[in-house]
Amino acid sequence: DAEITQSPRHKITETGRQVTLACHQTWNHNNMFWYRQDLGHGLRLIHYSYGVQDTNKGEVSDGYSVSRSNTEDLPLTLESAASSQTSVYFCASSAQDSTDTQYFGPGTRLTVL
Amino acid sequence: AQSVTQLDSQVPVFEEAPVELRCNYSSSVSVYLFWYVQYPNQGLQLLLKYLSGSTLVKGINGFEAEFNKSQTSFHLRKPSVHISDTAEYFCAVSGFPGGYNKLIFGAGTRLAVHP
Repeated sequence: DAEITQSPRHKITETGRQVTLACHQTWNHNNMFWYRQDLGHGLRLIHYSYGVQDTNKGEVSDGYSVSRSNTEDLPLTLESAASSQTSVYFCASSAQDSTDTQYFGPGTRLTVL
Repeated sequence: AQSVTQLDSQVPVFEEAPVELRCNYSSSVSVYLFWYVQYPNQGLQLLLKYLSGSTLVKGINGFEAEFNKSQTSFHLRKPSVHISDTAEYFCAVSGFPGGYNKLIFGAGTRLAVHP
């Protein structure tokens, strides 16, 4: 069965370190998204991609970057982790059409000390 | 700009009672509307979506939602809830000019079903 996976599921890091969160989907979807979930804010879009070599900034992109070198993967990098980036991060993917459902991964809980 | 307001942050309800989770949106263009559910320590799962056509949309697990364009609402309902419905529920909207397939989420409503 097709799926979307995230790793690691839990991560503790220190302020200033670079951190990369992995997202891998086997749906062969063109669209991929990264969200962060914080209490009282729901999910907010960090970055998204509509295909290989395409990346776009979302609502809360400062301090984050992504790259899309193949269809299956969209890693999220925190260049210099800050305590404000402590959050739960979700990756999602969807097919080409704007009406298509987004399928979510299980999430990565990141703590920045 | 598009935005979504979920009017209740928490909704407590007894098992087998009906429930309504309220969602209002603002957008200057036609939108697509979604309800997602998040069970504890899991990712989000689609409950239902409104794209066009009939304003009453039926989803999984006995949930349904009604799109009301004049009131810009998309409230989620279930006639009789179960303990297993305890979860967080998110309303979301997508549509131009925000960019296709980009979702704007509400803050979520925590549904707590008590025996």
